[in-house]
Amino acid sequence: SQQGEEDPQALSIQEGENATMNCSYKTSINNLQWYRQNSGRGLVHLILIRSNEREKHSGRLRVTLDTSKKSSSLLITASRAADTASYFCATDATGGSNYKLTFGKGTLLTVNP
Amino acid sequence: GAVVSQHPSWVICKSGTSVKIECRSLDFQATTMFWYRQFPKQSLMLMATSNEGSKATYEQGVEKDKFLINHASLTLSTLTVTSAHPEDSSFYICSGVRQGANQPQHFGDGTRLSIL
Repeated sequence: SQQGEEDPQALSIQEGENATMNCSYKTSINNLQWYRQNSGRGLVHLILIRSNEREKHSGRLRVTLDTSKKSSSLLITASRAADTASYFCATDATGGSNYKLTFGKGTLLTVNP
Repeated sequence: GAVVSQHPSWVICKSGTSVKIECRSLDFQATTMFWYRQFPKQSLMLMATSNEGSKATYEQGVEKDKFLINHASLTLSTLTVTSAHPEDSSFYICSGVRQGANQPQHFGDGTRLSIL
């Protein structure tokens, strides 16, 4: 079953605006990962945040993790049309099979030029 | 680095045909590879976990005789859809993982399978 649940399911913004996507999960985790998927393509790994980390940055991406609330957020700043894609969070559960991830349903982000 | 190549990217074939999809890690050794299926506008559904040199572990509801997985080397895993039928039409994606703690999965570009 899908553990991660992203919201919103769809988000439409203008170029230059910030985009925030949220993810909730149910069990204890080793880490949480965010991926991007362009239409008809495979997934691209964006950021991995470990359970003992609270915030991580990579370029225009900022990820937060709140293990007490079992939630994470992905912030994309100064968005570009090329950021248009589906974004998935995925959790690596504590005690689970090695490397096995559970993916959320995803957020479809549309950045309008 | 960490590139995964998946081939073919697109295949159309007749019902009853068997189709083989290859997943190769080009610049790293993938001790574990995963096979997913994705329906339009939906998330990834894990089909099976493939470890080099051992039998694949299939998720509940996935027919192992229907979806044959072979992981003969640290850089190659194959998925064979046997006697494919129209309901097997889907987008299949593989990923590979390096050994070690907190490693992300690296994905191929997917294979769109259409069974007529």
